[in-house]
Amino acid sequence: KAGVTQTPRYLIKTRGQQVTLSCSPISGHRSVSWYQQTPGQGLQFLFEYFSETQRNKGNFPGRFSGRQFSNSRSEMNVSTLELGDSALYLCASSLAGKETQYFGPGTRLLVL
Amino acid sequence: GENVEQHPSTLSVQEGDSAVIKCTYSDSASNYFPWYKQELGKRPQLIIDIRSNVGEKKDQRIAVTLNKTAKHFSLHITETQPEDSAVYFCAAENSGGYQKVTFGIGTKLQVIP
Repeated sequence: KAGVTQTPRYLIKTRGQQVTLSCSPISGHRSVSWYQQTPGQGLQFLFEYFSETQRNKGNFPGRFSGRQFSNSRSEMNVSTLELGDSALYLCASSLAGKETQYFGPGTRLLVL
Repeated sequence: GENVEQHPSTLSVQEGDSAVIKCTYSDSASNYFPWYKQELGKRPQLIIDIRSNVGEKKDQRIAVTLNKTAKHFSLHITETQPEDSAVYFCAAENSGGYQKVTFGIGTKLQVIP
């Protein structure tokens, strides 16, 4: 079974731009969670989607948004990028949101 | 909300020695505690987990203990090997709700050959 995939793997943007990241979960998994990983803050929860609905949200500003499609693929969007948004963005999938999560390889975003 | 504290932030051990990483959590409703290993440049991978109805769980050289009363849990790695070198994250989750995992800050473990 193929693992969680994320695209793109690397991205360079400038301040003020917006970015969209994509995550394809393991086949059959309906829950997708997004995390931001930085050296200083560790892994921080952004939000979780299940059946195209956002069920949980972390403490991030409204510039961070996401959505999930009917095939469970998910996208995350960050608008008006700031330097502090530079991070590794990880998504993780699970069957229904109450089981073991499997992480994707991440998208490394650099904001200049 | 949940707060997870993890200690130490870095840990160096000689090959063959044991390593212990400790975490505390604040939300008494948390009942699922996974541990992840993240090697440099790679994704976090689940190595062991424990649920609140269990006090200890072992998987070969890795064990996790949980003290619900004190709200702390620990990862024990015995007979460490160089390939154990990685960053280890503890996490806490209330599986009565939906996936909202709170992670510790991570422990960078270095096993010296």
